[in-house]
Amino acid sequence: TAGITQAPTSQILAAGRSMTLRCTQDMRHNAMYWYRQDLGLGLRLIHYSNTAGTTGKGEVPDGYSVSRANTDDFPLTLASAVPSQTSVYFCASSASGARGEQFFGPGTRLTVL
Amino acid sequence: AQSVTQPDIHITVSEGASLELRCNYSYGATPYLFWYVQSPGQGLQLLLKYFSGDTLVQGIKGFEAEFKRSQSSFNLRKPSVHWSDAAEYFCAVGVGNEKLTFGTGTRLTIIP
Repeated sequence: TAGITQAPTSQILAAGRSMTLRCTQDMRHNAMYWYRQDLGLGLRLIHYSNTAGTTGKGEVPDGYSVSRANTDDFPLTLASAVPSQTSVYFCASSASGARGEQFFGPGTRLTVL
Repeated sequence: AQSVTQPDIHITVSEGASLELRCNYSYGATPYLFWYVQSPGQGLQLLLKYFSGDTLVQGIKGFEAEFKRSQSSFNLRKPSVHWSDAAEYFCAVGVGNEKLTFGTGTRLTIIP
């Protein structure tokens, strides 16, 4: 079972450009999450979705948007990238919301220059 | 809002020695608590979780954690570490059912 896949694995992006990070899960989990991981700051929640068609803001949502058109996909879009968005981005999913085990993807390393 | 503190940024332990990683949370009610592990270059994997009931919980890979309400703590322990336990460990706290708050992590180094 693939679990959660993320694409791309890594990307270098010019400041001001837009980009969509892709996340797909094959476990039919209702809840999905986007985190960013920065040295010394741990994981911080960007956006989440408890079920298809709904999304919510996390701790650091500014500069990011998400959509949840179906159960499997949860793309994260940077409309106009800035250097402070350089980070490693992890997508996760859970069958039981935040009370359940979250399954993480392998991450996308994004560098904004 | 809930918060979680992992006071130790980096811990070094000899192989075969015991381990305790600290986690303190801040919340008025009893939250649910998790420990996750991240190996280099990978995503996070759940070690164990506490919702209610027995305050000592067992997890995978020989880890356990004890919930102490009086100290607002949920420390992770292992009686004898192996070189493969070298990784970063994250404590997480949640309330409601929407989102978790993760600590900043503790990096564990194992020396032979």
